[in-house]
Amino acid sequence: SQQGEEDPQALSIQEGENATMNCSYKTSINNLQWYRQNSGRGLVHLILIRSNEREKHSGRLRVTLDTSKKSSSLLITASRAADTASYFCATDAPADSWGKFQFGAGTQVVVTP
Amino acid sequence: DTEVTQTPKHLVMGMTNKKSLKCEQHMGHRAMYWYKQKAKKPPELMFVYSYEKLSINESVPSRFSPECPNSSLLNLHLHALQPEDSALYLCASSQVGRSNTGELFFGEGSRLTVL
Repeated sequence: SQQGEEDPQALSIQEGENATMNCSYKTSINNLQWYRQNSGRGLVHLILIRSNEREKHSGRLRVTLDTSKKSSSLLITASRAADTASYFCATDAPADSWGKFQFGAGTQVVVTP
Repeated sequence: DTEVTQTPKHLVMGMTNKKSLKCEQHMGHRAMYWYKQKAKKPPELMFVYSYEKLSINESVPSRFSPECPNSSLLNLHLHALQPEDSALYLCASSQVGRSNTGELFFGEGSRLTVL
């Protein structure tokens, strides 16, 4: 079963606006990662947040993690048309065999010029 | 070199064919993965190799047969597939172990169509 569930499923915004998407998971985790996937392409790693961290920044990306609520959010500030993609969270659980990274359902983001 | 290379990019095969998907990385990663992705769905883990040994098999049907000939190569042998196996097959690699970040590096995928 999927470890992470994301909302919204789809998000449509204009250039310059911020995009926020959320990921919830069911069991305790080691790390939570966010990936981007352009249509029909491979996934690209964006950012990783460890279970003992609460917030992390990378360029226009801001990730938060709330382990008490088992949820994470990804904020993309000042969005650009090139940010149009699907975004997935991925988690691995201490109880699972190492390497069992599982992906959430994903949020499809469309940024219009 | 931070690239994972997958071949072929596209593959069309009949249900009686035998074909293989190939994946190569030269980042010194000792973990390699196969994921299957259907349209508008997340990647689903199929297999994980760690130090060239199969460490995770997510109850994948035996018509999919993985192989890791060496630390840089990963193959997925396909035989007697069904039309519902049509999907994007993604290979990924990473460092091994919980002390590492587990960041996955993905190839661009092989788009498989089974007729």
